[in-house]
Amino acid sequence: DTEVTQTPKHLVMGMTNKKSLKCEQHMGHRAMYWYKQKAKKPPELMFVYSYEKLSINESVPSRFSPECPNSSLLNLHLHALQPEDSALYLCASSQDGSLQETQYFGPGTRLLVL
Amino acid sequence: KQEVTQIPAALSVPEGENLVLNCSFTDSAIYNLQWFRQDPGKGLTSLLLIQSSQREQTSGRLNASLDKSSGRSTLYIAASQPGDSATYLCAVRTISNFGNEKLTFGTGTRLTIIP
Repeated sequence: DTEVTQTPKHLVMGMTNKKSLKCEQHMGHRAMYWYKQKAKKPPELMFVYSYEKLSINESVPSRFSPECPNSSLLNLHLHALQPEDSALYLCASSQDGSLQETQYFGPGTRLLVL
Repeated sequence: KQEVTQIPAALSVPEGENLVLNCSFTDSAIYNLQWFRQDPGKGLTSLLLIQSSQREQTSGRLNASLDKSSGRSTLYIAASQPGDSATYLCAVRTISNFGNEKLTFGTGTRLTIIP
């Protein structure tokens, strides 16, 4: 199984809502990532978890809150988002976050904030 | 700050032709370079990973080269097919100023293969 799954595929939320994005992999990978991709732009790194601990936060606003409950799951909790947060949110995983590895990406969650 | 550029931004070629996509990066202190394809509204599919010590990697009709000293990589696609139509992204693995590793993506080339 070389698949990273993400749910939901699409999400529409208001600025006062609280929602969560979910990511799951069963490849035994110990590093997981959240990226944000705006239309016609490359993905930008948001967070990195290594062995279930947050290792990188790329100065992301606190309205985005990541969580790694176990080695297979990665969540992104959303609260009080702005319309400019509308984007494709991509999850990825790699073996253990070492520099030589390939990252495997999920299909993404397309988020629209109204 | 590492900057990754891909030229051209868009490319259309007839089916069956060979083609080359270009990627350039400003800081040659990279650990590896990875090529991805992305279909519209979808996630990324890894195509090839070239370590900094390697010059090229091949997978089927795809061949990627790396010239680290000049900050360039190319992705060669042989005998193009309509199914190759997608956006192709290159990404370099580096260590940030804070000691964290990160993947920096290029701007992408949108490829259209004309049947």
